[in-house]
Amino acid sequence: GQNIDQPTEMTATEGAIVQINCTYQTSGFNGLFWYQQHAGEAPTFLSYNVLDGLEEKGRFSSFLSRSKGYSYLLLKELQMKDSASYLCAVRLFNGQNFVFGPGTRLSVLP
Amino acid sequence: DGGITQSPKYLFRKEGQNVTLSCEQNLNHDAMYWYRQDPGQGLRLIYYSQIVNDFQKGDIAEGYSVSREKKESFPLTVTSAQKNPTAFYLCASIPSPARGAAGQPQHFGDGTRLSIL
Repeated sequence: GQNIDQPTEMTATEGAIVQINCTYQTSGFNGLFWYQQHAGEAPTFLSYNVLDGLEEKGRFSSFLSRSKGYSYLLLKELQMKDSASYLCAVRLFNGQNFVFGPGTRLSVLP
Repeated sequence: DGGITQSPKYLFRKEGQNVTLSCEQNLNHDAMYWYRQDPGQGLRLIYYSQIVNDFQKGDIAEGYSVSREKKESFPLTVTSAQKNPTAFYLCASIPSPARGAAGQPQHFGDGTRLSIL
């Protein structure tokens, strides 16, 4: 079976840094994606990791350790508009299928 | 501009009725997907299609049906057999691996919110 875990909710303060973790046990692995989803809207792509290490993209960074089945999304200089759900998704070996985690709902407080 | 269009944005279903959700893309993508999202939950795969005239069941296909007669279109029918259809439905697409899709994220439509009358 496929299993992806994320914390259900997190709260942080405007201007701070927050780390959202994702652990996975899947039958294959061909990359890990992070998406942001505002309530009632479609997910939008944030980052992609397929090799171990850190990928940085402006205020957002994502880290992957394949041996540990672990990733995190790091958000710096938090803004109110960052209040959203963050979804972790693993692309399976067949390349065309994805398994999504339950999402982490982040609330940014003033 | 290329993208994925889902319609309608809101849909109401009466008991015993089948309803069809539309998904059209002009991205020339090969693979298309339907997901269901319940409040506070992640995305669960209903059906996916990698090429025209072929589709595969996902994790929660019971009570749903699809067709893929054209590359651009992947409609989802929610049948009366689906007893709890109230959810947010998302359609997505991606190029095939042969077209350099490795690392390409899925593109999503804006979703259809389905409720029971």
